[in-house]
Amino acid sequence: RKEVEQDPGPFNVPEGATVAFNCTYSNSASQSFFWYRQDCRKEPKLLMSVYSSGNEDGRFTAQLNRASQYISLLIRDSKLSDSATYLCVVNKGGTALIFGKGTTLSVSS
Amino acid sequence: DAGVIQSPRHEVTEMGQEVTLRCKPISGHDYLFWYRQTMMRGLELLIYFNNNVPIDDSGMPEDRFSAKMPNASFSTLKIQPSEPRDSAVYFCASSLTAGSPIYTFGSGTRLTVV
Repeated sequence: RKEVEQDPGPFNVPEGATVAFNCTYSNSASQSFFWYRQDCRKEPKLLMSVYSSGNEDGRFTAQLNRASQYISLLIRDSKLSDSATYLCVVNKGGTALIFGKGTTLSVSS
Repeated sequence: DAGVIQSPRHEVTEMGQEVTLRCKPISGHDYLFWYRQTMMRGLELLIYFNNNVPIDDSGMPEDRFSAKMPNASFSTLKIQPSEPRDSAVYFCASSLTAGSPIYTFGSGTRLTVV
């Protein structure tokens, strides 16, 4: 079983829609969690960290459920510019980041 | 800072040839990572260095792959001999710490082995 699993999508949504991505991780020792964004043929970039209490950054909300080993990302009021691949990322503490394969989002007008 | 610099951006080579990918991390970053990205397997960690010392190379596919970091400002990933299944985008990233969420990635090297 892969350490980080995501639904690859693609998710095709109209502008203004709300979309949610899910991610599960297999190692209960994982300590830190993040979402990265990768545009087509570009490098990955940090979108936001994920905290146990849940956190919000504008239209983006991230949630963590340690008991279920589950991470989510909610995007409200989708924009065309949100079209990208969203990578779920975990870290066991002191080791390198482990990336999921990503979920592709396509927002259309 | 110019960010993480990788070269070349694209490389097309014939099976059996040696390929060398290069990376210059951000000055002051103690950690350097090599990742490989394919459609099938996503972004996989190959190896990472701390202060120029290899810490974990368990992701290196086989003996054909080797990586070095002779100094704090330069690293290479070498494939010898190359095979078509090595075709992928190879990313180098650097960070202040391994657990830091902020990895700065280079633009990647798109390798095609024919």
